[in-house]
Amino acid sequence: GEDVEQSLFLSVREGDSSVINCTYTDSSSTYLYWYKQEPGAGLQLLTYIFSNMDMKQDQRLTVLLNKKDKHLSLRIADTQTGDSAIYFCAESSSPEFSGGYNKLIFGAGTRLAVHP
Amino acid sequence: EADIYQTPRYLVIGTGKKITLECSQTMGHDKMYWYQQDPGMELHLIHYSYGVNSTEKGDLSSESTVSRIRTEHFPLTLESARPSHTSQYLCASSEGDRKAFFGQGTRLTVV
Repeated sequence: GEDVEQSLFLSVREGDSSVINCTYTDSSSTYLYWYKQEPGAGLQLLTYIFSNMDMKQDQRLTVLLNKKDKHLSLRIADTQTGDSAIYFCAESSSPEFSGGYNKLIFGAGTRLAVHP
Repeated sequence: EADIYQTPRYLVIGTGKKITLECSQTMGHDKMYWYQQDPGMELHLIHYSYGVNSTEKGDLSSESTVSRIRTEHFPLTLESARPSHTSQYLCASSEGDRKAFFGQGTRLTVV
């Protein structure tokens, strides 16, 4: 079945770049997403990339997709203490490959800790 | 900004009580979802809906039930709450195959 894997923890110094990695198994994925969850809150959509793209940049965020290796990464430039949160990678599979419905498959989340 | 709301944010309730978690969205999205998030952070899909009068079970078996009588409303009900139901419940909606928006979540504690 489909699976999304992420490392569970990342610690960076304030001002450095953070790179959060994710691998997925479903080659039929149409969209890949990054969500951010702060303590006690719901998930906030940060950015997403369509499966026919290699890269997407949005201000401090850069998403890289290697479709051949099924590898997705999120780079946060100039990481700030406010970036401390859990980051979830998710994929959306095409309805025709998932039993007639589309659904989001989430990784377990990467906890990003930013220290001074 | 996403317009999807969950109430209550926090709920502590005794074993055996019936509870309903509310979820509403004002974006006119056809698809809605309920996820359960356990203490280890993983999100599990427990219910989803394509539209009015459509409900399906997700990947994780759940004793909860859902209904979709109106496009904007997707409540989740537990007929008899148990401590094993203690978790965070996240509601989401999406338009077709597009990005999903999440509510703030309901943190349920059954004592």
